[in-house]
Amino acid sequence: DIVMTQSPDSLAVSLGERATINCKSSQSVLYSSNNKNYLAWYQQKPGQPPKLLIYWASTRHSGVPDRFSGSGSGTDFTLTISSLQAEDVAVYFCQQYYSSPLTFGGGTKVEIK
Amino acid sequence: EVQLVESGGGLVQPGGSLRLSCAASGFTFSTCAMSWVRQAPGKGLEWVSAVGNSGRDTYYADSVKGRFTISRDNSENTLYLQMNSLRAEDTAVYYCAKYYYDGSDYLPCFDYWGQGTLVTVSS
Repeated sequence: DIVMTQSPDSLAVSLGERATINCKSSQSVLYSSNNKNYLAWYQQKPGQPPKLLIYWASTRHSGVPDRFSGSGSGTDFTLTISSLQAEDVAVYFCQQYYSSPLTFGGGTKVEIK
Repeated sequence: EVQLVESGGGLVQPGGSLRLSCAASGFTFSTCAMSWVRQAPGKGLEWVSAVGNSGRDTYYADSVKGRFTISRDNSENTLYLQMNSLRAEDTAVYYCAKYYYDGSDYLPCFDYWGQGTLVTVSS
């Protein structure tokens, strides 16, 4: 199984500042035949189901604000919120879909400082 | 509008059974692979099972293999999860989730989720 490790577990960022979340996979999720990273990011607010933010490691899902961006390749990935807004307070998860079983990172809680 | 509505959760004793349902609408259910993902209280997300669009192909996490069965009824636009031999560690909110179509293929990441149904396994 591919183990997904996120860091930090939580972070507090001032409004308007940058938030950076890391996700590391235990093996590469880059498929060489199409040069795509099989990595997604989700946002989950309290009492709600997760919401898809990013797929293919860096492609924003429809309707996701452009302050959210994904980067990285192979085994190391980053979700960046360029200017934190109050509505971005949530837990963020990465997920690999390179192989079964699908696996998620443990989550990173983002709060306002 | 895509909607996924789970039902069937509740309190069950260890060793018992439950059948979860997920009623889907707003998209062509019969063309889309579907999955169940669970979240224990205060914990992270755990993928449980998936089924291909026809229902023929099924996939399970090791933690539930042999105890849970995923199925679907495309005529009723409904996804199911039959859960047998339940354990305390199966206690979680169970979400049904729809594979995302990126314009060329269905990807096993999830663009729509239901609100979830709580399964509590306790004596």
